[in-house]
Formats: sequence, C-alpha cells, structure tokens
Amino acid sequence: EIVLTQSPATLVLSPGERATLSCRASESVSKYLAWYQQKPGQAPRLLIYDASTRPTGIPARFSGSGSGTDFTLTISNLEPEDFAVYFCQQRANLWTFGQGTKVEIK
Amino acid sequence: EVQLVQAGVEVKKPGESLKISCQASGYSFTEYWIGWVRQMPGKGLEWMGNIYPDDSETRNSPSFHGQVTISADKSIRTAYLQWSTLKASDTAVYYCARLIYGALGNPDYFDVWGQGTLVIVSS
Repeated sequence: EIVLTQSPATLVLSPGERATLSCRASESVSKYLAWYQQKPGQAPRLLIYDASTRPTGIPARFSGSGSGTDFTLTISNLEPEDFAVYFCQQRANLWTFGQGTKVEIK
Repeated sequence: EVQLVQAGVEVKKPGESLKISCQASGYSFTEYWIGWVRQMPGKGLEWMGNIYPDDSETRNSPSFHGQVTISADKSIRTAYLQWSTLKASDTAVYYCARLIYGALGNPDYFDVWGQGTLVIVSS
C-alpha cells in the first residue's frame, strides 16, 4: 500500500497569506495525485487532480505541483473560506488518502 | 446538475445488517465508476472500494475486503454499500463519490460526492 504523509498537521495563517501544504508518497505515484478540501460537516471537494490540474470552478489561487514522491498544494492569498482541512490522494496503486492538514485562522 | 444523494443517518445495533444507498442523477450512470469512502469521527478519509455500474465490476480495498459488499443497480441509478454484521467500530460517515478519468483515461479521482450517510452502531 502506498502511504501518503502530509505536513504540517496544522498550519496557522492569517487571511491574505500564502499556504504551502506538502504531501509525500512512500513510493513514486508519478503525477497521479489529487488534493481535496473538506469543511466541517461537508463532503470533500476536489481541488486539483493529476498533480496540477484544476477542475472547472476551482479558483486560480489554488495550485498544485510535484511529481514522483513529493507534492505541494499552494493557496495564494488565503480567503476566509479557505480555512479547512486538506487531503491528498494517490491513484498510482489502488487509492489512498493522506491524513490531512488543517489550515487554521491565526 | 450532477448529484449523488445519500440518506442522512442510520442507527443500528451491533450484529445487525445494513445496506446504504447512493442515488445518482444528472449524468450517464453507467459511464463512471462510483467509490465509497469512510470517515470515522474526527478522522481522515479511507478508500473502501469502487464499482462500475455498467457491469458491476468492483475494486476493493484490502483493508475492507470481506467486511463490506459494494453493489449497484443500474436500472435505478443506485450504488450500495452493505454490511452483514455491524460492529460498533463501523460507526462513521460513509461517502459515495463519482470517479473522473485522469490523464491516462483511468478512473482516478473523486469529483462529485454525496453528502454522506452517518452510520451509528450502538447497543
């Protein structure tokens, strides 16, 4: 099983700041990685897939990068609605999720 | 609008059976895989398995193999997740989600999610 390790566990930032979230895979997943946002009491929302592709309707302040084992989700200029938990997910070998990074308001 | 609709809450006792559903609308049900994802209270997301409704081919997580059954009825555009014997540790929110195809045309990512069914197993 491919294990995804996200860091940090919690990120405390102010609106307007830049958030940089990391996801590391235990073996290469090529570019088959997605990012999701989840707010309390809601289902996850797909933000990025194939490491760097945004689905229609996702704001441009969300960007993804990386390949192989190291990936980054960047949220430029945090908006109040961006404070949530973010999960990565790989698809190179079955499907697994990371444990999540919580982005909190400072 | 593409939608997956799930029932809100199911309350069961240990040892009972349960089948929860996920009804799709707004797209061609037989052209996309549907997956099931567990979220235990206060925890992360765990992939359980996927099904292709057109022929009911399934792919199951080794972690859940033998614990649950995934099925679908394409005539009523509905996918199911079933337990024969519930345990208290099955208490969780269960999401269904549609899979979209990635760069190589494989069902890779979950783009539309149901609102989740909270399953509470308690004596």
